[in-house]
Amino acid sequence: GENVEQHPSTLSVQEGDSAVIKCTYSDSASNYFPWYKQELGKRPQLIIDIRSNVGEKKDQRIAVTLNKTAKHFSLHITETQPEDSAVYFCAASIGGNNDMRFGAGTRLTVKP
Amino acid sequence: SAVISQKPSRDICQRGTSLTIQCQVDSQVTMMFWYRQQPGQSLTLIATANQGSEATYESGFVIDKFPISRPNLTFSTLTVSNMSPEDSSIYLCSARRETQYFGPGTRLLVL
Repeated sequence: GENVEQHPSTLSVQEGDSAVIKCTYSDSASNYFPWYKQELGKRPQLIIDIRSNVGEKKDQRIAVTLNKTAKHFSLHITETQPEDSAVYFCAASIGGNNDMRFGAGTRLTVKP
Repeated sequence: SAVISQKPSRDICQRGTSLTIQCQVDSQVTMMFWYRQQPGQSLTLIATANQGSEATYESGFVIDKFPISRPNLTFSTLTVSNMSPEDSSIYLCSARRETQYFGPGTRLLVL
């Protein structure tokens, strides 16, 4: 089955700096890669996703890149703000109705 | 997007008892999923709930311990049976419609 690895497990940046979180996946058939943000005590919230027919997607300060050949994808947050502090999870699935596998999570701390 | 509600939001239970968690989605979805999240950990898939058929369980999870119902396309239940303190966790319902959304979770403490 699919195995998703995520790095780093913790990341601390200064406000205004960029943050990058990286994930790799094992199943070359995976074609859907969402990123979730989970604040303390709350549910995971989808922040951005990418499908395998594109290499990059941007939404304001957030971008995701995908390298299908290398089987890795990354989340980029620019101009970080304290409210970006949370745990971020990457995930991978083989589209349709298949289940989704999650990375171990990255705890991002943005210091003011 | 999909709006997902769960109840109870939290509960404290005695060992040996069972708790049923309910999950309601605001519109019809084919697949619903149940996850467990230990404090500070990632999301672990327990099972996939299919309407009209038996749930599909992941390795390490069995139907006798976590029976699941899926009576229609908007509702599912997860029962945690014969609970022990090791079952203390957050249980999250999830549904997929184009993308995957999560319920608010049920925080379970077993004494």
